[in-house]
Amino acid sequence: GESVGLHLPTLSVQEGDNSIINCAYSNSASDYFIWYKQESGKGPQFIIDIRSNMDKRQGQRVTVLLNKTVKHLSLQIAATQPGDSAVYFCAENRGSSASKIIFGSGTRLSIRP
Amino acid sequence: NAGVTQTPKFQVLKTGQSMTLQCAQDMNHEYMSWYRQDPGMGLRLIHYSVGAGITDQGEVPNGYNVSRSTTEDFPLRLLSAAPSQTSVYFCASSKGQGESRTQHFGDGTRLSIL
Repeated sequence: GESVGLHLPTLSVQEGDNSIINCAYSNSASDYFIWYKQESGKGPQFIIDIRSNMDKRQGQRVTVLLNKTVKHLSLQIAATQPGDSAVYFCAENRGSSASKIIFGSGTRLSIRP
Repeated sequence: NAGVTQTPKFQVLKTGQSMTLQCAQDMNHEYMSWYRQDPGMGLRLIHYSVGAGITDQGEVPNGYNVSRSTTEDFPLRLLSAAPSQTSVYFCASSKGQGESRTQHFGDGTRLSIL
């Protein structure tokens, strides 16, 4: 079946550098994408989202890029900090309601001091 | 504002036992969902509800039942626990439509089936 997937399961980044986490999706009908951060022992926490009529959206220290041509999504974290260590999930929503949000398998981000 | 509250936080069951995982939200959200997360994996949708009295199956519904008698509560029932149901269970809620599809998650219930 169609799924949301991630290119890399783990990512190690030097503190202060920028982090880029990638995600591929296969359903061209998906119109809404979300990035979540999950810290150990906690539920996923919303970071940023983007609709399919956009190709870029910026938040505080985070940017999401959407390339619909190649069905690729990325999360950029500027000036990575120790508190950014977590597992990051991309998710896609197919349709206008929240009834079916499909998650990828996650990327673990670790920060080197 | 408590958000999404899940109880219990931890539970150990024997094979064949039944139990109910509780989920409550105080944000008046219409949409609620249950996910399971296995080690090193993403979240898989078990069941979801688009409003009180309405539920539907997700990706992995077998062995689980849900009901939605109120907007606030969305309990998940394991009918006859099996070791394959050992997992972390997350409940989520959202307003549901358009830009309000962002889901708010509880902190999970860690369930072990022996």
